Amino acid sequence: EIVMTQSPATLSVSPGERVTLSCRASHSVSSSLAWYQQKPGQAPRLLIYGASTRATGIPARFSGSGSGTEFTLTISSLQSEDFALYYCQQYNNWPPLTFGGGTKVEIK
Amino acid sequence: QVQLQESGPGLVKPSQTLSLTCTVSGGSISSGAYYWSWIRQHPGEGLEWIAYIYYSGGTYYNPSLESRVTISVDTSENQFSLKLSSVTAADTAVYYCARSSIGARYFDYWGQGTLVTVSS
Repeated sequence: EIVMTQSPATLSVSPGERVTLSCRASHSVSSSLAWYQQKPGQAPRLLIYGASTRATGIPARFSGSGSGTEFTLTISSLQSEDFALYYCQQYNNWPPLTFGGGTKVEIK
Repeated sequence: QVQLQESGPGLVKPSQTLSLTCTVSGGSISSGAYYWSWIRQHPGEGLEWIAYIYYSGGTYYNPSLESRVTISVDTSENQFSLKLSSVTAADTAVYYCARSSIGARYFDYWGQGTLVTVSS
């Protein structure tokens, strides 16, 4: 099983700041990496797939990079609606499909 | 616009079987382009993929749950279902159904989720 580790667990930031979230895989997952955003009481929403491709309707301030075992999600200028939980997921080696533990982006 | 909607009991007794159904609208399960999954989220925790099914009945299970899980599909009703047997309090979670393409198994559409509590 591929273990996905996200860091930090919590990130306290101010609106307008640039944010970088990290996701590490225990073994290479090539570029088969997705990022999701989840707000309280809602289902996760797909942000990024293929490590760097934005999903339909996702603002350009969200970008993804990385390959192999190291990945990052960057939000270039944090908006109020971006305060949420963020999860990464690998889909290169399955079953099982696995998610990271999440990073909470909270208001500083 | 594809929509997924979970349904089923919100309360299940320990040792019983949890049964949930996901109804898909705005698209056909039989299109052949997608896998249909169940994913759960324990309260305050991360996401755990449970299983997925193809319209023809092909399945994949999370090895950690495989002995207790059955996923099935009903193409006539455009639904797929989850059964989890011998439940305990550790199975209390929000259960989501979701869609992924056969080319890449990330999840592009999700149901709203349904909380299932295991308690006597």
